[in-house]
Amino acid sequence: SQKIEQNSEALNIQEGKTATLTCNYTNYSPAYLQWYRQDPGRGPVFLLLIRENEKEKRKERLKVTFDTTLKQSLFHITASQPADSATYLCALEGRYSSASKIIFGSGTRLSIRP
Amino acid sequence: DTEVTQTPKHLVMGMTNKKSLKCEQHMGHRAMYWYKQKAKKPPELMFVYSYEKLSINESVPSRFSPECPNSSLLNLHLHALQPEDSALYLCASSPGQGNGQPQHFGDGTRLSIL
Repeated sequence: SQKIEQNSEALNIQEGKTATLTCNYTNYSPAYLQWYRQDPGRGPVFLLLIRENEKEKRKERLKVTFDTTLKQSLFHITASQPADSATYLCALEGRYSSASKIIFGSGTRLSIRP
Repeated sequence: DTEVTQTPKHLVMGMTNKKSLKCEQHMGHRAMYWYKQKAKKPPELMFVYSYEKLSINESVPSRFSPECPNSSLLNLHLHALQPEDSALYLCASSPGQGNGQPQHFGDGTRLSIL
């Protein structure tokens, strides 16, 4: 069965450093991979989308890579700030629109300490 | 504030009650979703509506009954729920289903079953 794992349940890093979160998957060939941020008591918020034929995407301090050979995506936040503290979810989607759905990974709770 | 509005924010109900959750969006999106999220877990898909027609039902028990009266509204009717149904219920919408289109989430209804 499909399995999506995010490297650690929690990650604690110093302000100003780069946070790197990992999303690994098995038994799946996603056409799209998305990253969302979720704050306590709120719904997830979309951050970035990367397609299977793309290697890297950037948006301001965020960078996502997608390696379909390794079946892995890396999500980087550079110059991290305490306001970046949240749970980050990767989400994978297959390629057939009519029955398409996204499946979320387990999430990584990121804490940035001042 | 999110562009997807869910009401009520909190709901406490007994196992014999009937209640409904409501979700509204005015972004012109044609796909709408219900997710269930337990504490420290990722959202789990329940239903997808595309162009007001049920597209996906993830084998959800019949005590949950979705309804999409028009393209802006999505309801989830609840009847005879069990204590294990206590969770955060999230609604989301996207321009269409599939093709990596990002989902916009509401902040959810926190449901407690006594």
